[in-house]
Amino acid sequence: EPEVTQTPSHQVTQMGQEVILRCVPISNHLYFYWYRQILGQKVEFLVSFYNNEISEKSEIFDDQFSVERPDGSNFTLKIRSTKLEDSAMYFCASSERQLAKNIQYFGAGTRLSVL
Amino acid sequence: AQTVTQSQPEMSVQEAETVTLSCTYDTSENNYYLFWYKQPPSRQMILVIRQEAYKQQNATENRFSVNFQKAAKSFSLKISDSQLGDTAMYFCAFMGNTNAGKSTFGDGTTLTVKP
Repeated sequence: EPEVTQTPSHQVTQMGQEVILRCVPISNHLYFYWYRQILGQKVEFLVSFYNNEISEKSEIFDDQFSVERPDGSNFTLKIRSTKLEDSAMYFCASSERQLAKNIQYFGAGTRLSVL
Repeated sequence: AQTVTQSQPEMSVQEAETVTLSCTYDTSENNYYLFWYKQPPSRQMILVIRQEAYKQQNATENRFSVNFQKAAKSFSLKISDSQLGDTAMYFCAFMGNTNAGKSTFGDGTTLTVKP
């Protein structure tokens, strides 16, 4: 069964550094998403992406964050100048179509630890 | 804005028994989609079941079923014949029909199945 792949599974970085979280969505999917889950808290929407541009972003997704689809397969989340409070699990998801009858498939997540 | 409320932070059930997890939501939309996700200790997000709001019939997936009460904006998950592998965090999520595929999650319910 096709799946969303996220790398690395765990990323440790120093405060102030930049990190890039990588995702390979399911190959025929067109819509891509990033969510964040701070330990012990709910999953929060960050951004959705379609046709090489952001469709919607949350208040969390400020100028510190950016997304990119650099080639035909990868979908990346860049966090500039990381802060301690950026420590969280980051989930990538993809769907074939925007409407929910096409399910969002989640990756296994990248645990980001900012020291 | 949509909100999702899970009023039970923790639940426990004996193996082979039935348990119901509660979820309520608030929205002004008429067409939308509701989901239950399972998050085991590995922290992967696994879709358990989904419900389309325009469908009267409650969704069922093997041992998992929902009680969808649209007027009450309630969407509970029933797990029958509970198994030890059902131990996980369960999230209720809402997706509107008009936004860019963004899902809004509840705070989650930690379910422990006891042998």
